[in-house]
Amino acid sequence: QKEVEQNSGPLSVPEGAIASLNCTYSDRGSQSFFWYRQYSGKSPELIMSIYSNGDKEDGRFTAQLNKASQYVSLLIRDSQPSDSATYLCAVTDQTGANNLFFGTGTRLTVIP
Amino acid sequence: DADVTQTPRNRITKTGKRIMLECSQTKGHDRMYWYRQDPGLGLRLIYYSFDVKDINKGEISDGYSVSRQAQAKFSLSLESAIPNQTALYFCATSDFPRGYGYTFGSGTRLTVV
Repeated sequence: QKEVEQNSGPLSVPEGAIASLNCTYSDRGSQSFFWYRQYSGKSPELIMSIYSNGDKEDGRFTAQLNKASQYVSLLIRDSQPSDSATYLCAVTDQTGANNLFFGTGTRLTVIP
Repeated sequence: DADVTQTPRNRITKTGKRIMLECSQTKGHDRMYWYRQDPGLGLRLIYYSFDVKDINKGEISDGYSVSRQAQAKFSLSLESAIPNQTALYFCATSDFPRGYGYTFGSGTRLTVV
């Protein structure tokens, strides 16, 4: 059973602060990693992907990957109330199917 | 129009009834997926299809069946609905290997009473 672990939260940060979301995964062979944002009652929306160790920045978002530690994180700088959502971590399996396995998500609340 | 369309958006059905959830996409992706989402359990894969003739079971396929009628259409059926199938169901597509991320439909909220 592939496992993707996230702290369910809720994580509360003040507006303008940095929000840090963490994820660990069990399948050492996973190659691709994703962060999705899901507003309540809506579908998940892809916000970041990362495939190699290190940092990847896109606007206010930075994804960090450490394959040796089987750890991936998402930093949101200058957090806004509109960032309040559940953030899902997803990793691919190492088979040819390349299916995504999701964590249960971390609920983030940005306080104005 | 949405790239991935699910119908119906909401459905209430009785225990023992057969129900079909439909998904169609205009993205031209070969890969299509059905997930269910339950509070505290996250998204779990029910079935996936890489093309019309390639359909595979996911983590939790018991009680479900699927049909890939065309590249653009992938339907999920509950043969005899039971209350613990109450969940939010998502269809998704993937352009793998050209792209890795999934595009999700808007979801179907199914309640079995």
